[in-house]
Amino acid sequence: SQELEQSPQSLIVQEGKNLTINCTSSKTLYGLYWYKQKYGEGLIFLMMLQKGGEEKSHEKITAKLDEKKQQSSLHITASQPSHAGIYLCGADMGGFQKLVFGTGTRLLVSP
Amino acid sequence: DAGVIQSPRHEVTEMGQEVTLRCKPISGHDYLFWYRQTMMRGLELLIYFNNNVPIDDSGMPEDRFSAKMPNASFSTLKIQPSEPRDSAVYFCASGLRGGYTFGSGTRLTVV
Repeated sequence: SQELEQSPQSLIVQEGKNLTINCTSSKTLYGLYWYKQKYGEGLIFLMMLQKGGEEKSHEKITAKLDEKKQQSSLHITASQPSHAGIYLCGADMGGFQKLVFGTGTRLLVSP
Repeated sequence: DAGVIQSPRHEVTEMGQEVTLRCKPISGHDYLFWYRQTMMRGLELLIYFNNNVPIDDSGMPEDRFSAKMPNASFSTLKIQPSEPRDSAVYFCASGLRGGYTFGSGTRLTVV
């Protein structure tokens, strides 16, 4: 079973629309990471969240961490074709930097 | 900085052959991770090192897989003998606590 579940698994949105991707953990989170992967390429680090209630933004992407719910959300405002790719959440599940990843969310942005 | 360097980028080998994947982490990074990515299983953590010492190898699928980190600037992942089900993209990542940089990956095809 997956320790990190992402939803939705895939998403098609129209350019300009907002969207949210969720990441839920079955265990206590010691650090939550968001990465983006373009098809056929490596992972690009977006941001890391450590404390409950923490929120970070990078350009039009905002991520929040709800420590009590063991959940994080990634929100994209006014999506663009350049946002297309696979979004992966990763987490340190035991406090020893053992970084495991979720199932991924495939995002397509249609013009 | 050149980032995390993996070689080769692509490898095609015959079943039963030995395969060695290489990784040069970013200088100064004390954590190094090896991952395998497939469509079916997503991104799986195989093994990770801290200061050249293996911390957790519970993700290594079988005895056919082995990984070494002889010094802070080099790591290898070896598969001997290789099997068709080992076909995947193998990623190396390095970092300090708080964010990890991924290499471009090695696409392995075992025929």
